[in-house]
Amino acid sequence: SQQGEEDPQALSIQEGENATMNCSYKTSINNLQWYRQNSGRGLVHLILIRSNEREKHSGRLRVTLDTSKKSSSLLITASRAADTASYFCATDPFTDKLIFGTGTRLQVFP
Amino acid sequence: EAGVAQSPRYKIIEKRQSVAFWCNPISGHATLYWYQQILGQGPKLLIQFQNNGVVDDSQLPKDRFSAERLKGVDSTLKIQPAKLEDSAVYLCASSLDIGAVAGANVLTFGAGSRLTVL
Repeated sequence: SQQGEEDPQALSIQEGENATMNCSYKTSINNLQWYRQNSGRGLVHLILIRSNEREKHSGRLRVTLDTSKKSSSLLITASRAADTASYFCATDPFTDKLIFGTGTRLQVFP
Repeated sequence: EAGVAQSPRYKIIEKRQSVAFWCNPISGHATLYWYQQILGQGPKLLIQFQNNGVVDDSQLPKDRFSAERLKGVDSTLKIQPAKLEDSAVYLCASSLDIGAVAGANVLTFGAGSRLTVL
């Protein structure tokens, strides 16, 4: 079963704009992670936020976590064409297994 | 560091035939996962190994799917007989150890094996 639901399902923006995608999940979690998947490739880990953290930054990425609402957001600032990919949130519900969401397809136009 | 190796990258078979996928995880990674990703969906966990033992195979359709990791290193996932709905990308991933990084398991994925069942 899929724990996370990403929103929106698809997002198209111009280079230089910011991209925000959201993830909602159902059960309590140990941590939440975001992964990127380029077309025809495997997933690549981007960032991890623990359940006791509220915000985390990594380069142009900013992740927030609201455990009371069971939701997270991923912000990509100053997007580039190379950011075009699908983005997935994955939750660890204290089972040492990652459960992936449905994904957001991001298209960045030059 | 070498990544997670998977083969074959692509496979086309007829329904009711069998297929096998191979995965070699990152050296030293104790935990190995097989995920199924149907087009347009997120990856779904099929089976998780810790060394050569199965941690979770609750979502593996055991009437047709089998997986093994005999020496605690590389792994094979087999489908026999294949159905049309098995068409998907089969992703292998590995992580250092369950809880190795203060309770966080970060996965490294292979490029995947794309299966088409006709």
